[in-house]
Amino acid sequence: KAGVTQTPRYLIKTRGQQVTLSCSPISGHRSVSWYQQTPGQGLQFLFEYFSETQRNKGNFPGRFSGRQFSNSRSEMNVSTLELGDSALYLCASSSYRTDGYTFGSGTRLTVV
Amino acid sequence: AQTVTQSQPEMSVQEAETVTLSCTYDTSESDYYLFWYKQPPSRQMILVIRQEAYKQQNATENRFSVNFQKAAKSFSLKISDSQLGDAAMYFCAYRSATQGGSEKLVFGKGTKLTVNP
Repeated sequence: KAGVTQTPRYLIKTRGQQVTLSCSPISGHRSVSWYQQTPGQGLQFLFEYFSETQRNKGNFPGRFSGRQFSNSRSEMNVSTLELGDSALYLCASSSYRTDGYTFGSGTRLTVV
Repeated sequence: AQTVTQSQPEMSVQEAETVTLSCTYDTSESDYYLFWYKQPPSRQMILVIRQEAYKQQNATENRFSVNFQKAAKSFSLKISDSQLGDAAMYFCAYRSATQGGSEKLVFGKGTKLTVNP
């Protein structure tokens, strides 16, 4: 059974650019969440999608957005990148409410 | 809002010995789930163990067990017979189970565990 797949694994962008990260959940998982991990702030919740609907959103500016497709794959987009957006972005999927999420290996975004 | 606190930024243990990682949390909810995740240098978060708040029995998974004290809002992780492969960052996490409540995971800051040979 394939795990959660995140692409790309590494990304270097320039300030002001935009970026799109992709996440393919485990087959059959309909819930996908995104987290930002930085040394200073730790792991922070970005948003959660279920059946193409955003159910929860964390305390991030509107430059951070996401969506989920009918096959449960999800993308997150960050526009007008800032140096502080440099982080590891983790995607996680879940099938049932009681399950802990299964995480992908993350996308390491560096903004220069 | 729920918060999770891990008071030990770093811990070390000798191979084959036992170590306990601490976690406390704050919530006004009565129904929730607690998790311990392991993050090795490969970056992937791996679920180690989970506990449903309504269950009094402490969860165990092979060498990993928890001490769940609901009244004290404490959720510690015990690793027995520590192995070199246990070296990683360990994160304690909370998830609401309240109908209509947020399903996001709230993480602690993590504890870096070093296993000495």
